[in-house]
Amino acid sequence: DTEVTQTPKHLVMGMTNKKSLKCEQHMGHRAMYWYKQKAKKPPELMFVYSYEKLSINESVPSRFSPECPNSSLLNLHLHALQPEDSALYLCASSLSPMDEQFFGPGTRLTVL
Amino acid sequence: GEDVEQSLFLSVREGDSSVINCTYTDSSSTYLYWYKQEPGAGLQLLTYIFSNMDMKQDQRLTVLLNKKDKHLSLRIADTQTGDSAIYFCAENGYGQNFVFGPGTRLSVLP
Repeated sequence: DTEVTQTPKHLVMGMTNKKSLKCEQHMGHRAMYWYKQKAKKPPELMFVYSYEKLSINESVPSRFSPECPNSSLLNLHLHALQPEDSALYLCASSLSPMDEQFFGPGTRLTVL
Repeated sequence: GEDVEQSLFLSVREGDSSVINCTYTDSSSTYLYWYKQEPGAGLQLLTYIFSNMDMKQDQRLTVLLNKKDKHLSLRIADTQTGDSAIYFCAENGYGQNFVFGPGTRLSVLP
């Protein structure tokens, strides 16, 4: 298995909802990442997990809460989001934090 | 801080070569990468080059690195309509995160 999978593909939620994005890889990678990408912009790093520990949080608002239950899974819990949080959320993984990153297809999030 | 620059748009005719350029500022970059993103999709790793190399070729793709000028380029030979996408240059240095350029939108005209 040589890919990063993300679910759901699309998500529409209201500002009072709680939802979660999921990411999975079975390549034995020990670093996993969440990025946010707005239209016509490069990905912006949100969180980095290295060996299942949160190593980087790029000043992301607390309405985004990451979780790494094990070395293959990465979740992003969403609560009380704002319309400006609408974006493509990309998950990536790499063998180690120094190696090339492989991206999932993304979750297109719309906040109403 | 690190900065990566790219021209935003490039148009070429089908069958011609495309050259996408990138400049970066961090001299400690260890690896430099090229990613391709098609509409509505994630990023696909195309190729990468280690900072002590000056050229890497992989089928239709040629990467050139001028470390002195901190300039990276991606040449796509015999460009096809399926190559139309946004191409991101990225750098990664020891103990640092990926830094992406703004992306170059490549349009291939028939």
